[in-house]
Amino acid sequence: SAVISQKPSRDICQRGTSLTIQCQVDSQVTMMFWYRQQPGQSLTLIATANQGSEATYESGFVIDKFPISRPNLTFSTLTVSNMSPEDSSIYLCSVEPWTVPNEQFFGPGTRLTVL
Amino acid sequence: EDKVVQSPLSLVVHEGDTVTLNCSYEVTNFRSLLWYKQEKKAPTFLFMLTSSGIEKKSGRLSSILDKKELFSILNITATQTGDSAIYLCAVSEGGNEKLTFGTGTRLTIIP
Repeated sequence: SAVISQKPSRDICQRGTSLTIQCQVDSQVTMMFWYRQQPGQSLTLIATANQGSEATYESGFVIDKFPISRPNLTFSTLTVSNMSPEDSSIYLCSVEPWTVPNEQFFGPGTRLTVL
Repeated sequence: EDKVVQSPLSLVVHEGDTVTLNCSYEVTNFRSLLWYKQEKKAPTFLFMLTSSGIEKKSGRLSSILDKKELFSILNITATQTGDSAIYLCAVSEGGNEKLTFGTGTRLTIIP
């Protein structure tokens, strides 16, 4: 598997502001993903973070609201822009390592509360 | 639209009981099915299944996939209070590797 860290682990933000979440992996991985888990819900994929090109967004998610960067094979960021209380969720990054294809491992998550 | 359905939604049993959690799916280009355990924020990987009829086992947990009937089960024997968690089933499709998750089963083990 891979060791994945996320920062911050939690934050409380005011509506209208933006927060950038970082995901760092201890080894190079092929695929990195960003998920959202709203209270009481299951996980929903926001986008696939592509190294060296624009992220691929799922239906219902747009780049202006959730800009993503992936400058190399071990690091990605997700920004939640112009936040509203509806953005209060757990945000999780996941990776699929080269060494274990077909298996995805999750970071510890970021719990975001928007007031 | 791809769909993953888990049942039951919640389950409360006594310590020592055996439980079976169910996951059925409909996807257009099935690649694999994964089980996760979620206690706080991060889902913890349990099993990945790609072949029908081959049981994966880890201690008291085991899982099997039926690709003909499009479902999987997760068994936990001799349950312990530490097994209390939400168990998530997810299906991966070929070509894009993204996971579609079910709603999860919330398992509570009573001492």
